Amino acid sequence: NAGVTQTPKFRVLKTGQSMTLLCAQDMNHEYMYWYRQDPGMGLRLIHYSVGEGTTAKGEVPDGYNVSRLKKQNFLLGLESAAPSQTSVYFCASSDSRRIAYEQYFGPGTRLTVT
Amino acid sequence: GESVGLHLPTLSVQEGDNSIINCAYSNSASDYFIWYKQESGKGPQFIIDIRSNMDKRQGQRVTVLLNKTVKHLSLQIAATQPGDSAVYFCAEIPTGTASKLTFGTGTRLQVTL
Repeated sequence: NAGVTQTPKFRVLKTGQSMTLLCAQDMNHEYMYWYRQDPGMGLRLIHYSVGEGTTAKGEVPDGYNVSRLKKQNFLLGLESAAPSQTSVYFCASSDSRRIAYEQYFGPGTRLTVT
Repeated sequence: GESVGLHLPTLSVQEGDNSIINCAYSNSASDYFIWYKQESGKGPQFIIDIRSNMDKRQGQRVTVLLNKTVKHLSLQIAATQPGDSAVYFCAEIPTGTASKLTFGTGTRLQVTL
């Protein structure tokens, strides 16, 4: 049982490049989330999903897109990366049958945009 | 706007002593308050929660206190150990936000030997 995994662990992009971050969970959780964490700040919610085929905007959605085609996967896309998107990205999942705030987090992806 | 914040960015505690990490919140309409622990290079890990209609909740070596009068949340760690060294975040779920967490900025706990 791997829990929540994220791919890749590190990535360096040039301004304007695109990429997709992959999140996978093997706990059969309904809810999945993408956060970003910047130095000296807490986590901020980018997008989230309450089930396969559904997504919704969080606190800081601009510049990102997401897709939840399969229940176990939640993809975060950057269409045209900007230096302001340099951050550590965390994916999380939670079980809708329990109290949904007990979110399980992945190890994070450190993204640098030059 | 509404926010969840912390009083101190860094707390240094001697091994074996008790730790108290504080958090102030401004949103009165929250259903739950939660504490997360984040070790270096890892994602946050759930520690303990408290429902808004409670004042105190105890876990294993941890106690969370909620004072709604002054909008204050605290995490008490008994007999602090080196493994407790981490950044601690408080978070809240505002009513009607369907489990979306609002995180504070975090307090770093350093345990000295």
